[in-house]
Amino acid sequence: SQTIHQWPATLVQPVGSPLSLECTVEGTSNPNLYWYRQAAGRGLQLLFYSVGIGQISSEVPQNLSASRPQDRQFILSSKKLLLSDSGFYLCAAVTGHTEAFFGQGTRLTVV
Amino acid sequence: QKEVEQDPGPLSVPEGAIVSLNCTYSNSAFQYFMWYRQYSRKGPELLMYTYSSGNKEDGRFTAQVDKSSKYISLFIRDSQPSDSATYLCAIDGEYGNKLVFGAGTILRVKS
Repeated sequence: SQTIHQWPATLVQPVGSPLSLECTVEGTSNPNLYWYRQAAGRGLQLLFYSVGIGQISSEVPQNLSASRPQDRQFILSSKKLLLSDSGFYLCAAVTGHTEAFFGQGTRLTVV
Repeated sequence: QKEVEQDPGPLSVPEGAIVSLNCTYSNSAFQYFMWYRQYSRKGPELLMYTYSSGNKEDGRFTAQVDKSSKYISLFIRDSQPSDSATYLCAIDGEYGNKLVFGAGTILRVKS
């Protein structure tokens, strides 16, 4: 079965600092990968999705970027964090039309 | 117009009530419809999965899709306090390139 590893679970970063969140997938090949952000009490906002290595689609203009250096690795980055980047970040993997598997999320607080 | 619309709630019901959660969507090309449940500070988990129109039942949960109205529903019978969570509808287009989530409805079942 698919497993999504996402770390760290919690992160507190100062404004202006860089960010790197990593997501790795086990148990499947060629997944579609997604980064979502969830504000407190809100739904999931799609940030990036990728259908293959090096293929990244951005859904919203923002201070973040994503990369997929390997089939089962998806990285979310920022050069300079803003206060508005705080939130709960979730990585998800989908293979075909089967269910999406989510990581346990990273709670980012920018101070 | 958003691709998927979902009332964020919160929806508060007494234990034992029948709960109805709903989403509307805009793109008639969508074929796969899912409901996810998310407990606080956790990643979402798949609850129900349906293809095209019709009903699907799993224990106390029933998922319903009406493609003519572009309307999907999740019914929970005999609701329990443990059902308290955020419920997100999700829709996967024909080619599965982008999983689109609703905002999520916060459900609170009071004992």
